[in-house]
Amino acid sequence: GAGVSQTPSNKVTEKGKYVELRCDPISGHTALYWYRQSLGQGPEFLIYFQGTGAADDSGLPNDRFFAVRPEGSVSTLKIQRTERGDSAVYLCASSLIGGGASNEQFFGPGTRLTVL
Amino acid sequence: GQNIDQPTEMTATEGAIVQINCTYQTSGFNGLFWYQQHAGEAPTFLSYNVLDGLEEKGRFSSFLSRSKGYSYLLLKELQMKDSASYLCAVPTSGTYKYIFGTGTRLKVLA
Repeated sequence: GAGVSQTPSNKVTEKGKYVELRCDPISGHTALYWYRQSLGQGPEFLIYFQGTGAADDSGLPNDRFFAVRPEGSVSTLKIQRTERGDSAVYLCASSLIGGGASNEQFFGPGTRLTVL
Repeated sequence: GQNIDQPTEMTATEGAIVQINCTYQTSGFNGLFWYQQHAGEAPTFLSYNVLDGLEEKGRFSSFLSRSKGYSYLLLKELQMKDSASYLCAVPTSGTYKYIFGTGTRLKVLA
């Protein structure tokens, strides 16, 4: 596609439920990032993929959060036993390759997650 | 540790010039990015600085001083559509983990 796409755009769930958020990066981009953004804050790093592997998952808040990118393209962020504090906009970004200006990140529109 | 500071809000008048500052602390330096984010939308790339000095791109310019850990974004001939949040971001040294500032919410008034 022309840009990064994310589905769903909105997700409302109940506390304790499991959710999956999908990201489709720009074709050919090897780097993929997940961020979480709360109102009035900047994006908070969660995890970075280079190809199929998670090169840095140090931003995942706890073991309820997990992300995969099995074929080096589409990625899924999975949240188990959701809590109200997980409510935020989850942003996905991709970039061509790491390093310097070529690492400009292209962001998707985000998934707004609301946990009731 | 890593830290980025930006003013929370700024207000300016249409047609004016505004400077948005960003100070950062990182254990190494791999460049500094500025992104623009309109309310309810995704951030979009504005500029990247890795060397000291001013980078000009149309109405927007970005400045970097590595010795001072300081950058600014300069917006000229402000337009109403420039009302947005401006995010300063730095990748942590040796990794691609990005630290974003909280963003500066700019309001452009008629």
